[in-house]
This record gives sequence, structure tokens and C-alpha cells, in this order.
Amino acid sequence: DTEVTQTPKHLVMGMTNKKSLKCEQHMGHRAMYWYKQKAKKPPELMFVYSYEKLSINESVPSRFSPECPNSSLLNLHLHALQPEDSALYLCASSQDNVQRGNIQYFGAGTRLSVL
Amino acid sequence: GDSVTQMEGPVTLSEEAFLTINCTYTATGYPSLFWYVQYPGEGLQLLLKATKADDKGSNKGFEATYRKETTSFHLEKGSVQVSDSAVYFCALSPLSGGYNKLIFGAGTRLAVHP
Repeated sequence: DTEVTQTPKHLVMGMTNKKSLKCEQHMGHRAMYWYKQKAKKPPELMFVYSYEKLSINESVPSRFSPECPNSSLLNLHLHALQPEDSALYLCASSQDNVQRGNIQYFGAGTRLSVL
Repeated sequence: GDSVTQMEGPVTLSEEAFLTINCTYTATGYPSLFWYVQYPGEGLQLLLKATKADDKGSNKGFEATYRKETTSFHLEKGSVQVSDSAVYFCALSPLSGGYNKLIFGAGTRLAVHP
């Protein structure tokens, strides 16, 4: 099983709302990732968690707040977003974050619209 | 810095045509190389990978060979199907950095017509 599950699939929120995106994997992977993908562009890395600790923050605005409650779950808390934050948010996981040739497995994404 | 360059699309082909999508990279040493595919409305799926020079990755009729001398990882398929219509991303994972960062190319959209 190489499945990464993301919920919800679609989310519409106002600029004053607080919402959360969820990601779950049961492959025993110890590295988890959040990406943002705008239309017709490649994914852009936002955060990396390694062994449940935040190891990389790619200078993401503080209105995005990641959380890794345990090794299987990854959340992205959203607050006071802007319309330009509308995008497809992808979660990925991999076995380890330093292994050569390590494969990242992606979820189907949450399509976010900020009004 | 490390980077990936892919041929611009869209690429439009008839069913059963031969496919080539060019990918070249710039990186220090020997990065790992990947092709990911994204079908409409979906996330990314790993299509194939290669971790060292002259490795050939293959899956579902697609192939790509890690060419160090030309710093290339071109994707090929002998006979495409309508179901292959998708966006294809070439990516590399650099040796340095201490973690499995993926650097993506811009993506190439493939449209296959019956």
C-alpha cells in the first residue's frame, strides 16, 4: 500500500476563517512534506517533517502553520489567508529524509479556494 | 544551484505514436532522477526513477536512462495511449542538503488523441 490520504478534497474559505488540512499515511514513513501547487506549475516545497520534527520551512508565511501529531499524521493549519493562497496543496511522505533515491509518495491533494 | 529543464509543451500526439519528452539537469555530483506523472485532478505519481549513471528506469511502457555525459533523463514510450494524457514532471533529488528535496522541472503536458 503506497497511499497517502488527504482531506478534504476541496475547501473554500474566507480570509478571516481558520481551517485545517489533514494528511495521513500508514506506510511507516518517517518524513512528511507539504507542497503548494499553482495551476500549470510544478509543486513548491513548503515544509518537511522528519521523525515528527520540523526540519525544513521554506520561508512560508506564518498564516500557514504545520503540525505533526504523530508519525502517521500531518496537518496544515490555515488562518487569515489571502486570495493568492488559492492552490492545490499536496502532502507527500517518504521512508527517510536522507536516503539516496528515496521515493516521495503524494496524496491527491486539497484544492483550496480563498475568497 | 541545482535545476531541471524540460521541453515545453503541450505535446500533442495521435494514439500509438512514439513519445519523447526531453529533460536535462544541472547538479553537483550524481543526483537521483525521477519522472512523476499528474493526471487531471490528481496528485503526483512516481512513474520511474534512476539513482546512478547508466541506470534505466522503466514502468508501464515508459523508459528513461540516466545519462551523465549529457546530464539528461529523457522520457520515452514506444506507443502512447489516450490514457497517457497527463502532465509529466522530471525531478532530481540532490546529494547535498541532508534531506530528500525534490527539484522539479516546469512540467510537460501531453495530450493523446484517438
